[in-house]
Amino acid sequence: AQSVTQLGSHVSVSEGALVLLRCNYSSSVPPYLFWYVQYPNQGLQLLLKYTSAATLVKGINGFEAEFKKSETSFHLTKPSAHMSDAAEYFCAVSGTGGFKTIFGAGTRLFVKA
Amino acid sequence: GAGVSQSPSNKVTEKGKDVELRCDPISGHTALYWYRQSLGQGLEFLIYFQGNSAPDKSGLPSDRFSAERTGGSVSTLTIQRTQQEDSAVYLCASSLASSNEKLFFGSGTQLSVL
Repeated sequence: AQSVTQLGSHVSVSEGALVLLRCNYSSSVPPYLFWYVQYPNQGLQLLLKYTSAATLVKGINGFEAEFKKSETSFHLTKPSAHMSDAAEYFCAVSGTGGFKTIFGAGTRLFVKA
Repeated sequence: GAGVSQSPSNKVTEKGKDVELRCDPISGHTALYWYRQSLGQGLEFLIYFQGNSAPDKSGLPSDRFSAERTGGSVSTLTIQRTQQEDSAVYLCASSLASSNEKLFFGSGTQLSVL
């Protein structure tokens, strides 16, 4: 079975500061991991995904995430926050063999001027 | 179609009534999901269809909830005898067959039970 835990329902950073959104997963098979973003009044869209190739994955808008098997983590980072990054971010896990995709509870990112 | 289409976009109903929510996935996508998004609750998995396999209904919260997918395409989520706690945004998503493929989401149906 798969599950995802996102630490922190709300994260607030200043513009230009590092963004770090935490995600830990549990999976009974090698996982596929995803980050999705939901901007205000918009649908969910894929930010990046890990599918067992490089452990450091780069996504859109300057975001990246690193798969760490030993820590069962897939934290999302961005070196310098922009006001337009304010959104809700969801970590998700599926797995080899056709496992369904399960989402975490989400983290809302606030960016202060 | 160009994307995942859901209808209606908004539905207001009275407690105890039945509602049907519709999802048209992207053509060729064999995987289809229903999720529920409530304030502060993230995306709650409801049901998963994959090709001709039996659906994974493990996320349906009660027997008032059911879903079907006809001809491997359109899906309908039915909620019988609606309750106020059913109020939420119901999201449909589809993807290509493999579980490493990204999900394409519809805009959702905002359900309000009065």
